[in-house]
Amino acid sequence: GAVVSQHPSRVICKSGTSVKIECRSLDFQATTMFWYRQFPKKSLMLMATSNEGSKATYEQGVEKDKFLINHASLTLSTLTVTSAHPEDSSFYICSASVDSDYSGNTIYFGEGSWLTVV
Amino acid sequence: GEDVEQSLFLSVREGDSSVINCTYTDSSSTYLYWYKQEPGAGLQLLTYIFSNMDMKQDQRLTVLLNKKDKHLSLRIADTQTGDSAIYFCAETAGAGSYQLTFGKGTKLSVIP
Repeated sequence: GAVVSQHPSRVICKSGTSVKIECRSLDFQATTMFWYRQFPKKSLMLMATSNEGSKATYEQGVEKDKFLINHASLTLSTLTVTSAHPEDSSFYICSASVDSDYSGNTIYFGEGSWLTVV
Repeated sequence: GEDVEQSLFLSVREGDSSVINCTYTDSSSTYLYWYKQEPGAGLQLLTYIFSNMDMKQDQRLTVLLNKKDKHLSLRIADTQTGDSAIYFCAETAGAGSYQLTFGKGTKLSVIP
């Protein structure tokens, strides 16, 4: 079945540095991918919709200059957390879906990335 | 707007049934989902139901959907300690959408 790979699964970075997280659809093309963030004691919140070949659509309250999203190909979207701060420490997860195949089991999530900023 | 609500905690004894409830607001959702998240891990899709269905059973899992009341439940039969986790209810954000709106998650604790 379709698989979405997310890398790295865990990353620790120093405050002020940038970290890139990759979301890759392994055996299908995904025009649209989604990035979610999980806050402590809160749910997974949609950060942005990543559109292949165009700018990402950010949810209200998400800083687009801080969370850079690039969807340069039909199988890869990247999320770069720039100038990371400890409050950016969180669980980030992406999802992708097979284009033109809308059914209940065609939304695939990556494994997620645990980011710790020290 | 879209909102998915679920109770935050549930505690059951091993061998009993667990019922996790969820309410949602978007009547145009096409699919509703249950995901499981174990500590330090990602999301595991448990099951999903099409909005036109009332019930779906998959081994120990039973999903009930009351579309009129916008109520979704997940029943886990013969709950085991390995079922201890956070369970998320989610709905598609409108008809034909791949975007999901999640509830805050219910932490299920299974007492041996």
